[in-house]
Parts: sequence; structure tokens; C-alpha cells
Amino acid sequence: DAGVIQSPRHEVTEMGQEVTLRCKPISGHNSLFWYRQTMMRGLELLIYFNNNVPIDDSGMPEDRFSAKMPNASFSTLKIQPSEPRDSAVYFCASRRVGGWTEAFFGQGTRLTVV
Amino acid sequence: EDKVVQSPLSLVVHEGDTVTLNCSYEVTNFRSLLWYKQEKKAPTFLFMLTSSGIEKKSGRLSSILDKKELFSILNITATQTGDSAIYLCASHGGGADGLTFGKGTHLIIQP
Repeated sequence: DAGVIQSPRHEVTEMGQEVTLRCKPISGHNSLFWYRQTMMRGLELLIYFNNNVPIDDSGMPEDRFSAKMPNASFSTLKIQPSEPRDSAVYFCASRRVGGWTEAFFGQGTRLTVV
Repeated sequence: EDKVVQSPLSLVVHEGDTVTLNCSYEVTNFRSLLWYKQEKKAPTFLFMLTSSGIEKKSGRLSSILDKKELFSILNITATQTGDSAIYLCASHGGGADGLTFGKGTHLIIQP
């Protein structure tokens, strides 16, 4: 299995621009998480989906952030408009919902907003 | 609100030392506690603990859970420079069955 695949790996954008991060979970995994990691705040859960349905989006910082999962093999996290304080590494992770299984992480997208 | 607190936040030791990393948690509907190791890139899974008092072991790493006192420890014996990483603890549970991470312990092993 290729694992969780995220794109792009790095993104540098100007303040005010729209940014879209992409994630392909592991095949057969039906729970998907978006996390943001910074030195100050550590790994924060932004949103997660079970069976393509958003279950908990309380971690989404503001209305500028939105996430979708149109099907079981694809999810996007969009920031519009982006701000310098959004600079962070964004991770996507997936697992099988139910039972006791660990989550597997993608390699992350390092976002820099200048 | 579910909470996971790790200590210490950072730790510097010499190669060969033994270290103990701590994780305490408060989570409703607790299901399991997980440890991850993060080097330069993505966190990689180490252990999942669901029952109190049962030690999980993998080489020089071991971990145990205390569900009464709501904490877990991760031990690393005979540390090596390759053990340098951020060690993350996460609780699985909560009202919405999510994974909540602590801020991590940044471990540095000096030769």
C-alpha cells in the first residue's frame, strides 16, 4: 500500500491567496483526519471525517478554513484567504473507524504564507 | 474538552542513558492510548495501549498504561542518537471518537 498521500509537499503563497491541500487516504480506511502542527501549539486536530461525513470540525480555526471529502479516496483542506499565521505543517491521517486501530499519517504539506 | 499533557516538553541526555516520557490524559469514552515517534517528517506509530498494567515492548522501547490514574509512560533504555525525535502521545475516544494529541516531548540524544 502506498500509504496516505498528500500534495503538495511544500507550498509558498502570498497572503490573501487561496490554498488547497489534498489528501488520499489508505484504501479501505474510512476515517480521515486533518491536523496542523506548529512549534507553539503542537499537533492540533482541525477536522475529521467518518465515512466521508464530517464528524467534528470544532478545531477548524475560522471560516477561512473549509474541508471536504467528496468520496472515500479524496479530501481537501482549503484556506481562503490565507494569512501568515496559517504557516504550519498540515498532516492528513487515516484509519479504519471502529475497533482499536492506529492512524497512519501522510508526509505532510509545509505551508508558508508570506 | 479532551486533553493530553506530555512531560517533559524537551529532554537532552547522553547516549546509553535511560529515559522515561510521561503522558496524562483526560478523555471521555476512553478507548486507547497511542504513542508515535516523529523524526523529520510524519509521525510513525509505536504502541497502542488499551488495558492497564500490560507492558508493550519493542526492542529498547516499552510502554505501560494506568487507566486508574489516567497516565502512560514510554521508556527507552540504552538510548542511541537515532532515538532523537519528538515523541507524541494521543488518546483515542471522546464524544466524537477522535484522536487528541499532546504537544510532544522533544528528545535529543547526545553522543
